[in-house]
Amino acid sequence: GAVVSQHPSWVICKSGTSVKIECRSLDFQATTMFWYRQFPKQSLMLMATSNEGSKATYEQGVEKDKFLINHASLTLSTLTVTSAHPEDSSFYICSARDRESEPIWRERGYEQYFGPGTRLTVT
Amino acid sequence: AQSVAQPEDQVNVAEGNPLTVKCTYSVSGNPYLFWYVQYPNRGLQFLLKYITGDNLVKGSYGFEAEFNKSQTSFHLKKPSALVSDSALYFCAVRPPGRAGNMLTFGGGTRLMVKP
Repeated sequence: GAVVSQHPSWVICKSGTSVKIECRSLDFQATTMFWYRQFPKQSLMLMATSNEGSKATYEQGVEKDKFLINHASLTLSTLTVTSAHPEDSSFYICSARDRESEPIWRERGYEQYFGPGTRLTVT
Repeated sequence: AQSVAQPEDQVNVAEGNPLTVKCTYSVSGNPYLFWYVQYPNRGLQFLLKYITGDNLVKGSYGFEAEFNKSQTSFHLKKPSALVSDSALYFCAVRPPGRAGNMLTFGGGTRLMVKP
């Protein structure tokens, strides 16, 4: 259980184009999903928190107009990198938190389930 | 604000020997602590977590971690390393309560197990 998928697993695009990355919770409902990016040999940096049916909350320094997040359903969040540039090349990872009652959340430590990641290369 | 430190960029261990990957944290209150492993070009796989209770937590693949409140540490350990354990390991902390949703990750430690 608690499987998160991402599509595509890797993508190469030309500078100036837009790329959409999907994050799906396959066997649970996720009211909250998180988007991270990871540069080579570095740790994960949280980009934004995506809440179903509402606007995403972006971390400081992350351009919301460049990284569009849509959490349209309880099993799908999308990240669109608009007008991509080579410096946007990175490994993008999403995670999701199971939609459960508060006591269970606490018991599990608000555990997040991670997707396999999407490698974006902008040429 | 919470923070996590993994003081070693890389740990080298011979197969069959015990391994330790260090993690220290800084957070107000009693934290939730996690260890994840990442293989090349893969997302993070959950290893174990500390929420409350016993300080020694056992997780996947024979790994365990010990929560030490006085030293604010959560070191990952395994009695006998395998070559297949070679990967990137991340320690993460989440503050208690509903207010803080996000995980804060350490910088990662690359574990190299040599045959």
